Amino acid sequence: SAVISQKPSRDICQRGTSLTIQCQVDSQVTMMFWYRQQPGQSLTLIATANQGSEATYESGFVIDKFPISRPNLTFSTLTVSNMSPEDSSIYLCSVEPSARAFFGQGTRLTVV
Amino acid sequence: RKEVEQDPGPFNVPEGATVAFNCTYSNSASQSFFWYRQDCRKEPKLLMSVYSSGNEDGRFTAQLNRASQYISLLIRDSKLSDSATYLCVVIKAAGNKLTFGGGTRVLVKP
Repeated sequence: SAVISQKPSRDICQRGTSLTIQCQVDSQVTMMFWYRQQPGQSLTLIATANQGSEATYESGFVIDKFPISRPNLTFSTLTVSNMSPEDSSIYLCSVEPSARAFFGQGTRLTVV
Repeated sequence: RKEVEQDPGPFNVPEGATVAFNCTYSNSASQSFFWYRQDCRKEPKLLMSVYSSGNEDGRFTAQLNRASQYISLLIRDSKLSDSATYLCVVIKAAGNKLTFGGGTRVLVKP
């Protein structure tokens, strides 16, 4: 198993600003994943973050909007840039040892 | 057609009753299957893996039907604490990304 600490747990942000979400894992992992869960919806993968290389983004998500850092094997950040109300969502980081996903507690973002 | 589909519910279940629901997947090459549970305002947590031979964990039984491309989850003797959204997760192959269904909401009532 893996224990993931994610912060902030929630934030209310002004449109046009940016928010950086942090995830810390209690063990070294090769890949970390960032998901978005919009209200009443399931999880959508934003990108996969490998240490030492650029993140791989899913269709519909771009680096300029969601830059990701992965400076080491236990930590990653996701930035939601130039926010609009449509970015209001829950953002979750995840690791998937043995194909079983463990999630951070999530960041509930509201953009006003 | 979505890769992984679930009946969103809600399934309103009397306490003590049995409830079952399915999840269909479109890719016949899918290899691994899981049920996750998500409580309101919480992150998803693994409930159980789904094995080809079917598997049981206490009051929960998961089954896989490869011919018809669906997995199922059955909850016996439902408890109020079983109220949650149950997410179906499918992986095409080792190292591939997880694909989530939309979730099935279950409400257990006294």
